[in-house]
Amino acid sequence: DAKTTQPNSMESNEEEPVHLPCNHSTISGTDYIHWYRQLPSQGPEYVIHGLTSNVNNRMASLAIAEDRKSSTLILHRATLRDAAVYYCILRDVKRANNYGQNFVFGPGTRLSVLP
Amino acid sequence: DAGITQSPRHKVTETGTPVTLRCHQTENHRYMYWYRQDPGHGLRLIHYSYGVKDTDKGEVSDGYSVSRSKTEDFLLTLESATSSQTSVYFCAISESYRENTGELFFGEGSRLTVL
Repeated sequence: DAKTTQPNSMESNEEEPVHLPCNHSTISGTDYIHWYRQLPSQGPEYVIHGLTSNVNNRMASLAIAEDRKSSTLILHRATLRDAAVYYCILRDVKRANNYGQNFVFGPGTRLSVLP
Repeated sequence: DAGITQSPRHKVTETGTPVTLRCHQTENHRYMYWYRQDPGHGLRLIHYSYGVKDTDKGEVSDGYSVSRSKTEDFLLTLESATSSQTSVYFCAISESYRENTGELFFGEGSRLTVL
C-alpha cells in the first residue's frame, strides 16, 4: 500500500488559515486521497477526499499537487474546535472493490490551535 | 451523526478471560470494521465485514475473532484477553455505494483494560 508522510505536530493561531501537508510520493493512479480528523476522546471523522482536482466542502479545502505526490488540507479559519489529529490516507479504489474499504491510518498530524 | 453504538464503552478485565465488544448500527450499511488505537500506532484494522457472515482479517487480527449474524451487529471477541490487548477499540461503518467516496463513520470507542 502506498504510504503517506505528515508532520507530527503543527500549531496555528485561532482565526488564521492552516495548511496541513501530506506527502505521498508512491501514490498510484487509482488511489484516492482522504483526510480524517480525530477530536480528543472521539472516533475519527471524515473531512474531505479527492482524486486529482482540488476539492472544497464546508469543513475544508483539499489542494492536490499536479503530480499527485503531495496534498494539502486547508482550514480557512482555524477555531479552537479544530484542535485534533489529522490523518491523510490513501485508498486504492481497485482494492476496495474486492476487500472493502481498508484505510491505513498513520500517526497523523496533531494540530494545536492557540487562542 | 451516524447511528453507531459501541458497548461496553469501558471495561476492565483480567488476563485470560474472554471479552466481547459489540458494535450496533442503525444505518443498514454494508461494511463494518473494528480498529484498535494505541499510542504511537494510530488506528490499526483488526477485522472487517463486507456483509452478513462475510468477514476478513485486517492488519492485526491475531488473538481476535469476529462475527456478523445480522446487518446491524458486528461483534469482536477476545477469546483469552492479554495485557497487549489493552487499547481503545473503534467500530466503523460505511455504505456500499460510497465505495468510491470512502466515508467511514466511527463509533465513540470502547476502552478495554486487561490487568
